[in-house]
Parts: sequence; C-alpha cells; structure tokens
Amino acid sequence: QQQVKQSPQSLIVQKGGISIINCAYENTAFDYFPWYQQFPGKGPALLIAIRPDVSEKKEGRFTISFNKSAKQFSLHIMDSQPGDSATYFCAASASTGTASKLTFGTGTRLQVTL
Amino acid sequence: KAGVTQTPRYLIKTRGQQVTLSCSPISGHRSVSWYQQTPGQGLQFLFEYFSETQRNKGNFPGRFSGRQFSNSRSEMNVSTLELGDSALYLCASSLGIAGTETQYFGPGTRLLVL
Repeated sequence: QQQVKQSPQSLIVQKGGISIINCAYENTAFDYFPWYQQFPGKGPALLIAIRPDVSEKKEGRFTISFNKSAKQFSLHIMDSQPGDSATYFCAASASTGTASKLTFGTGTRLQVTL
Repeated sequence: KAGVTQTPRYLIKTRGQQVTLSCSPISGHRSVSWYQQTPGQGLQFLFEYFSETQRNKGNFPGRFSGRQFSNSRSEMNVSTLELGDSALYLCASSLGIAGTETQYFGPGTRLLVL
C-alpha cells in the first residue's frame, strides 16, 4: 500500500513537444505529491509539488495534474527542451504516521532530442 | 543559503568494513532523512531524524544506523558492509518533519563495496 507506481520507465520526446509522466498510488493517507528532477551525479531537486486540495498546479512549463478519485497524478512538461533531459521521480508522503516519509516512484528517464 | 552538504562524496570500502557518512542540513532545518539509491531498487527511505530523535525508519537491517546532533548535522553508519550496500546515499533536510515540508537533497555519497 506504500508503493507509488510510475510510468513510463523511459521517454523520448522531440524538442518543443510535451512530455507526460504518470504516477499512481494506493495509500489514501498520502497528502503531498512532489516531483523531483535528477541529473547524473546530482541529488534529486524539487521541481513542483501538489496537495490534494487542488486538481492542477502550474509552474512555468511544468504542470501537475491530480485526480484524487483515481489516485493518480501526472507531470506535464510543455515545450520540452534538451536541458530537460534528466530522470524524473514522482513521490508521495503523508503528514503523519509511518507514511510521513517520501515514497518514490521508480523514475522516468526523459531524453529530449533536437 | 548553503544547500545540503554530504561528505565524503565518494568512498570505496571492502566487505566486512564499516562506514560513516555525514550530512549537514540547510541552516535552520531540523529534519534530516536518509535514502539509498540503487539502479535496481530506486530511492529507498532509510530513516529520518528530527531534533536528535529518530522518528521514522525504513525496512533496512540493523546494520544501518544513524544519529543526529544538536546542530542538526546527521551521520549514518553502516556496519559489516556487504556488496549489495554499494549505492548512492542521499541525505535530505526540511524545516519540519518529513511529509509536512519540502525536502531538499544533497549531492549524495557514492559508496562502492568491493
């Protein structure tokens, strides 16, 4: 019940295209859903996060869509750029209890081609 | 503000040895969490310390331990190293307890066990 399932495992998108990464969770106690971006040799960096009181959050070219009833959330990267090539992790956590730690998806390796 | 720092960045040990990794959180942050990252298992939560107390623990054997000092700096120790302990060990800090606040990651310590 603690798992977060992420797909696809890898993604190739042309420059200017839209990248979409999906995640699904089971634990209804989760109430914080961040996305992290990781470049080789670096630690994950917070990209954008959402709480379940809203269905969408946009920051620049990055948008999180959240569907509470389906227990799914997704990251959309508009106008994808080569500099976006990285591994993206979705994560989830709860405010209290043993689930108050980040549970990560398995990651999506994004490659943006010219 | 300086980010999360981890030392050493790289480490090579042999089976049976022990190792201590260090993490300095962002100034003012009281929570430090540790994660293990491997290609096969992804990002796995090890434990979280808040105000010098371990408040949450992942599913790792007792060979993995940690502590936090009064200045919020944290150390992680792995005893009797096994080949499977080779991984990137990431530390993340947050103002409040994990799950309620954004976690900021350090660059990690890459441990190779021979």
